Amino acid sequence: NAGVTQTPKFQVLKTGQSMTLQCAQDMNHEYMSWYRQDPGMGLRLIHYSVGAGITDQGEVPNGYNVSRSTTEDFPLRLLSAAPSQTSVYFCASSQGREKLFFGSGTQLSVL
Amino acid sequence: GESVGLHLPTLSVQEGDNSIINCAYSNSASDYFIWYKQESGKGPQFIIDIRSNMDKRQGQRVTVLLNKTVKHLSLQIAATQPGDSAVYFCAPHSGSARQLTFGSGTQLTVLP
Repeated sequence: NAGVTQTPKFQVLKTGQSMTLQCAQDMNHEYMSWYRQDPGMGLRLIHYSVGAGITDQGEVPNGYNVSRSTTEDFPLRLLSAAPSQTSVYFCASSQGREKLFFGSGTQLSVL
Repeated sequence: GESVGLHLPTLSVQEGDNSIINCAYSNSASDYFIWYKQESGKGPQFIIDIRSNMDKRQGQRVTVLLNKTVKHLSLQIAATQPGDSAVYFCAPHSGSARQLTFGSGTQLTVLP
């Protein structure tokens, strides 16, 4: 049972490049979400999904897109990377309103 | 929205002592509360939760206390060990919100 798997673990982008952070879970959870974590700060919600085909914006959605075509996968797309998007990104899933299971994170640097 | 604050951003304790980490929240509709532990370089991990119909819940070496009157909860760790060194977050839920709010966390350092 792998839980929540995020790829890649590390990524360096140049300003203006686009990329997709992958997230997959094998627990059949309906709820999935993406957070970013900046130094000295808590986790801030980017986007979330309550089921396949349903997504919604969180606290800091600008510059990011998501889609949820299957229960298992919830990719996060950076449309045109900016230095302000340098951060650590975490994907999480849960069943209902219960505890979140987090992936191990993706450390992204935008130069 | 939810405003989550932590009374102490850092906490240092001697190995073997008890630790108390505090968390204040502002939304009186919050009815479910979770504590997470985040070790360096890893994602947050569930520690313990408590629902608003309780004021205390115990786990293995951890106890969470909830005071709804003053919108405050605390995490107590008994006999703190080096492996307890991490950042601890509280996350309140309210029935109408799918979003979780996290505070900036408390960095717990266990001294030998």
